[in-house]
Amino acid sequence: GQQLNQSPQSMFIQEGEDVSMNCTSSSIFNTWLWYKQDPGEGPVLLIALYKAGELTSNGRLTAQFGITRKDSFLNISASIPSDVGIYFCAGRRFGNEKLTFGTGTRLTIIP
Amino acid sequence: SAVISQKPSRDICQRGTSLTIQCQVDSQVTMMFWYRQQPGQSLTLIATANQGSEATYESGFVIDKFPISRPNLTFSTLTVSNMSPEDSSIYLCSVGGGQEKLFFGSGTQLSVL
Repeated sequence: GQQLNQSPQSMFIQEGEDVSMNCTSSSIFNTWLWYKQDPGEGPVLLIALYKAGELTSNGRLTAQFGITRKDSFLNISASIPSDVGIYFCAGRRFGNEKLTFGTGTRLTIIP
Repeated sequence: SAVISQKPSRDICQRGTSLTIQCQVDSQVTMMFWYRQQPGQSLTLIATANQGSEATYESGFVIDKFPISRPNLTFSTLTVSNMSPEDSSIYLCSVGGGQEKLFFGSGTQLSVL
């Protein structure tokens, strides 16, 4: 099935740095969701976005629904060790209950 | 959000055997979804399980290999049949949570020798 392209594939940052990642598609989506997955766990929902241009925050996390409806962005400010993990975007088209998942961005914090 | 419990959390199995994974939700839900996550990969939908009807499988997945039961609105099982090492993956149960959100269980880590 189709997957969304996430960039970057992996990131190595120092604690305290800000993080930006994005998710792009050739198709229009009506809902964007961002998840974080820790090793050995299922993905945990971070933020949900429902309309173009929407900007939503969850603590140090901020996500945006792209104006073209073909992309979405996630920013993490002042990263901390517990931010380590894999971040997945997921999109849903109008009238379709299925989610399409991104390829994932692996975040590593360098001591 | 719903509380989703999956059992077992992990297992190591011999090729040719079958494993049944259980998913229990703390509230009634219409649709339950089963995903597979191969090592280092993203999530791929296996099938959608509706109570009272046969599961709907995605392209590349068949009922003989991944039979699913959905006896009520809070429970589902996925069986991985006649396993081979290629079936080594994380298997995840998920449910809708309103406002088009999807919530996941903690997953079952399967290794096939």
